[in-house]
Amino acid sequence: AQKVTQAQTEISVVEKEDVTLDCVYETRDTTYYLFWYKQPPSGELVFLIRRNSFDEQNEISGRYSWNFQKSTNSFNFTITASQVVDSAVYFCALSEVYSGTYKYIFGTGTRLKVLA
Amino acid sequence: DAGVTQSPTHLIKTRGQHVTLRCSPISGHKSVSWYQQVLGQGPQFIFQYYEKEERGRGNFPDRFSARQFPNYSSELNVNALLLGDSALYLCASSLRRQGNTGELFFGEGSRLTVL
Repeated sequence: AQKVTQAQTEISVVEKEDVTLDCVYETRDTTYYLFWYKQPPSGELVFLIRRNSFDEQNEISGRYSWNFQKSTNSFNFTITASQVVDSAVYFCALSEVYSGTYKYIFGTGTRLKVLA
Repeated sequence: DAGVTQSPTHLIKTRGQHVTLRCSPISGHKSVSWYQQVLGQGPQFIFQYYEKEERGRGNFPDRFSARQFPNYSSELNVNALLLGDSALYLCASSLRRQGNTGELFFGEGSRLTVL
C-alpha cells in the first residue's frame, strides 16, 4: 500500500542553522512521483519540488536541496542557513502514475520553527 | 493571474447541517481536486474532477459529494455534518488530466468548524 512517513513531528532550529526534513515512502509501483509542499500559516500549500522515480539526481535550488534515494525509499529535504521565513509545516507527498486514483498521498507533515 | 480561490474562508455549522464549499481553479486548468486536512494531519484526498467528470474518489462516505461546472469551477457538498468533519478543506487545480503526475496548485482552503 502507498504510504508516506514523516517521522519528525516538529523541529526547532536557530536561524542560520542547516536542517534536514526526512521523508520515507512505500509504494508498489515502479513509476511514481514525489513532491514537497510548504504550508505557511495562511493554509495554502506551496509547491517546492517534484521528482519522478527514474530521476535520482539530487537537486539544489538556492538554499533548498533534495536527496532522493530509491535504495532506502527516502526523499529528504535540506534547508541550508535557515531563516525565520522558513517557519512552516512541510509535507512530503507521493503519487503513483498507474494507480488510476489520481490522488496524492501526503505525510503527516513536519512543523519547522526557525528562531531568530 | 489569480490563483485558486475558495469560498467561504471560514464557516461554522452545527451537527446535521449541510455545507457547500466552492472553488475556482486557475484560468486554463481543467482539473480540480478536493482534500480534507484535519488539524495536525496531512491532507487526505476526497475527489478529483476533470472536464466535469469524476476521475477519482477517496475513502469518504457518501455524505460527501462534488461536481464541476462548465467553467471548471467546483463545489464540494457535505450532508449530515458530524463533529469529525471539522477540518480545512483544500481545493487544488492542475493543468493536466492526470493530476497525480503534475504539480497541484492549492487554494488557501475553507476552514469548517462543526459544533
